[in-house]
Amino acid sequence: QSELIQPPSASGTPGQRVTISCSGSESNIGSNTVTWYQQLPGTAPKRLIYITDQGPSGVPDRFSASKSGTSASLAISGLQSEDEAEYYCAAWDDRLKGYVFGSGTEVTVL
Amino acid sequence: EVQLAQSGTEVKKPGESLKISCKGSGYTFTRYWIAWVRQMAGKDLEYMGIIYPDDSDTRYSPSFQGQVTISVDKSTTTAYLQWSSLKASDSAMYFCARQPGDVHSFDIWGQGTLVTVSS
Repeated sequence: QSELIQPPSASGTPGQRVTISCSGSESNIGSNTVTWYQQLPGTAPKRLIYITDQGPSGVPDRFSASKSGTSASLAISGLQSEDEAEYYCAAWDDRLKGYVFGSGTEVTVL
Repeated sequence: EVQLAQSGTEVKKPGESLKISCKGSGYTFTRYWIAWVRQMAGKDLEYMGIIYPDDSDTRYSPSFQGQVTISVDKSTTTAYLQWSSLKASDSAMYFCARQPGDVHSFDIWGQGTLVTVSS
């Protein structure tokens, strides 16, 4: 059971906006940098965007991210076929003293 | 180009030992942490631990403490992950990843090493 909970799937048609949520706790998202990773089939994860106290940083274009309290979200605007991938949120967890990943969300372009 | 190049696929038997590698290039190797992440068939990513090449400061996730050893060779800019006695449950894809500074976030990833443990 992941410490960071994501919906297992999300989908949209080309051009649509898709949002993925990530629910955590005070010991992880509530206190630390949140990072979103994209993993295309058969490849290594790639860092998309991360959020510090100074705000989001990383690959802007069609991807945006935000954090509020113990939750975070990733939005993909102008959805494209190449966005079909697994998306993971992640953060350091002060209580577990380790880096925790979300359960992953598979994005499908219809 | 900044990259982490990992060693190739391994097929081992239970009880055997194994050491896989992750070679950094294109940047000052000693100034960035290197983490190891496991991904078993399916999808969950699991953080195993991290090492700082400059002084070999190593920190393990409680779940992996005592199960694996993380090490580094500064002279060859290579980090390692090793097992002394493999189990079938160690079968997975293993990634190394670079962490810049003290912000917990991995900006560069290796391509992964697939480890299969089967009798």
